[in-house]
Amino acid sequence: RKEVEQDPGPFNVPEGATVAFNCTYSNSASQSFFWYRQDCRKEPKLLMSVYSSGNEDGRFTAQLNRASQYISLLIRDSKLSDSATYLCVVNRDDKIIFGKGTRLHILP
Amino acid sequence: NAGVTQTPKFRILKIGQSMTLQCTQDMNHNYMYWYRQDPGMGLKLIYYSVGAGITDKGEVPNGYNVSRSTTEDFPLRLELAAPSQTSVYFCASSYPRGEQFFGPGTRLTVL
Repeated sequence: RKEVEQDPGPFNVPEGATVAFNCTYSNSASQSFFWYRQDCRKEPKLLMSVYSSGNEDGRFTAQLNRASQYISLLIRDSKLSDSATYLCVVNRDDKIIFGKGTRLHILP
Repeated sequence: NAGVTQTPKFRILKIGQSMTLQCTQDMNHNYMYWYRQDPGMGLKLIYYSVGAGITDKGEVPNGYNVSRSTTEDFPLRLELAAPSQTSVYFCASSYPRGEQFFGPGTRLTVL
């Protein structure tokens, strides 16, 4: 089993809709969690850190469920500019593990 | 702050040639990383460093070497380039357990 797993998608979602994706991690000792966004042929950029209490940044909400070992990302009122690959990142003992990403296409 | 800078942006090598990909960060981060990303695929860790003078292998180190003589710089050396090393190379830096900041990448083609 991979240490970090994501549905590769693609998720094809109409503009304005709400979309959610999850990421599961296998090691319960994982300590910090992040969502990154990567546009085609560009470097990954931090979207948001994920905290146990959940956190929100505008249209984006991230949640962590330690008991079930997954993190989630919710995007509300999706925009065309949200089209990208979303990478789940887990940090354990200073080892950073990237998921392979979920591709999101927002349709006009 | 410039963040993480990488040079060159693009390079074409012939099989068997060598080159060094440069990476510099100005955020005083202890940790630095080199990844490669093949088209349509995820990031693969080549080497990483937790501080000056300390380096360690990642998932795909064969064919590469690194050094870390200063906090700021983490060059990646390719010896005897092969077509399988055609990829986009990203350098990143972070504080321990913190978010990673990535450079813009080097697009390398080996013919």
